[in-house]
Amino acid sequence: NAGVTQTPKFQVLKTGQSMTLQCAQDMNHEYMSWYRQDPGMGLRLIHYSVGAGITDQGEVPNGYNVSRSTTEDFPLRLLSAAPSQTSVYFCASSYGIRGYNYEQYFGPGTRLTVT
Amino acid sequence: SQQGEEDPQALSIQEGENATMNCSYKTSINNLQWYRQNSGRGLVHLILIRSNEREKHSGRLRVTLDTSKKSSSLLITASRAADTASYFCATDSEIQGAQKLVFGQGTRLTINP
Repeated sequence: NAGVTQTPKFQVLKTGQSMTLQCAQDMNHEYMSWYRQDPGMGLRLIHYSVGAGITDQGEVPNGYNVSRSTTEDFPLRLLSAAPSQTSVYFCASSYGIRGYNYEQYFGPGTRLTVT
Repeated sequence: SQQGEEDPQALSIQEGENATMNCSYKTSINNLQWYRQNSGRGLVHLILIRSNEREKHSGRLRVTLDTSKKSSSLLITASRAADTASYFCATDSEIQGAQKLVFGQGTRLTINP
């Protein structure tokens, strides 16, 4: 199993550009989530999904969109990038619709810089 | 909002010593999890302890949970250089009417050879 994969590993955007961060898992996990990690801030939940077609907001959802058309994929879209979105983004997946009750499997992260 | 807060923010010890990190949280929980993050890498799950458990062991790791004090501790015994990493606690927390997994800010542990 590849586990949780994220692409790209690094990305530089100009303010106002859009892009999609890709996340995929091959463990048939229902629960998937996106976090951002900033220095000294730990991880903050952006959006999460409890299954295909079901998404919900986390702690810091503004400026980000998500969709979940398949169990395997959970892309994160930045519609108009801002310097405040410079961060490292992690995707995670877990078992079941109450995935917060179980071990999270994390991807390697995407380091995004917005200039 | 950060549900869990780790203490200390940074810890530096000699190889072979024990390392203790603490996590405090604000609201009632179903479980508490500990993760490790090596520099530049994703997080790796260490231990999950349920709210009805008081202590759990995994190899050199010992986790305790005191729900009356809303706190947990992670003890790493006989530390090794490879234990150098950041350690995070995570708890399920109700945010906007739904349970979500929320992480603390982490403890940066340095093991000196």
